[in-house]
Amino acid sequence: NAGVTQTPKFRVLKTGQSMTLLCAQDMNHEYMYWYRQDPGMGLRLIHYSVGEGTTAKGEVPDGYNVSRLKKQNFLLGLESAAPSQTSVYFCASSYSLAWYNEQFFGPGTRLTVL
Amino acid sequence: KQEVTQIPAALSVPEGENLVLNCSFTDSAIYNLQWFRQDPGKGLTSLLLIQSSQREQTSGRLNASLDKSSGRSTLYIAASQPGDSATYLCAGYGQNFVFGPGTRLSVLP
Repeated sequence: NAGVTQTPKFRVLKTGQSMTLLCAQDMNHEYMYWYRQDPGMGLRLIHYSVGEGTTAKGEVPDGYNVSRLKKQNFLLGLESAAPSQTSVYFCASSYSLAWYNEQFFGPGTRLTVL
Repeated sequence: KQEVTQIPAALSVPEGENLVLNCSFTDSAIYNLQWFRQDPGKGLTSLLLIQSSQREQTSGRLNASLDKSSGRSTLYIAASQPGDSATYLCAGYGQNFVFGPGTRLSVLP
C-alpha cells in the first residue's frame, strides 16, 4: 500500500497563477483533509471531506477550493495564488469512526508564491 | 473553540534520559487524541491514538496518557535515543482535528 501520496512535491508560482494539488489514498478512507503548515502557526485545516462528492470548510478556507469526485482523491485548488499562500501543504485521510479516527498523512507539498 | 497547547516548545536532553512531553486542550469534548512525530522536511507519522474511553496507550518505548477531565495528555519516552530527535505534535479530535504547535526534541549522543 502506498498510503497517502501527494503531487507535486515542490512548486513555485507567480502571484495570480493557478494550480491544483492532488492527494490520493489507497486505504479506502472516507474522510480526507487538507492542511497548511506555517512556522509558528502549526497545522491549520483548510478544507475537508467526509465522503465522495462532499466537501466542507475548515479553519482557513479563503483562497482555496476543493473537490472530491472520487473517494480516493482529494484535490486542492488555488485559483489566483498570493504570497500569503506560501506554505507546506499536507493531505491526510482517516477512518470515519469518531471514536477511532486515526489520521494518516502524505509527505507534503512545498509551495512558494513569488 | 478548541485550542491545543504543548509544553515545552523545545527540549534538549542527553541520550538515555526518560522524558515527558505535555499537551493541553481547552475543550474536553474530544473523541480521541493522537500523537505524531514529524522529522524536518517530512510529513507526520502517527505514533499513538488514545480513544476518549481509554486512559493510556503504549507502543514500544512510548506511552501516551489522556485525562479528559483536566484537558491533558502526556507522551512519555523511555530511554531516549538520538533517533528520537524530531518534532512531536498532538491533535485532539472533536468536530475536527485541532493540532498543537509541537515540541521540538533533540536527543544528544
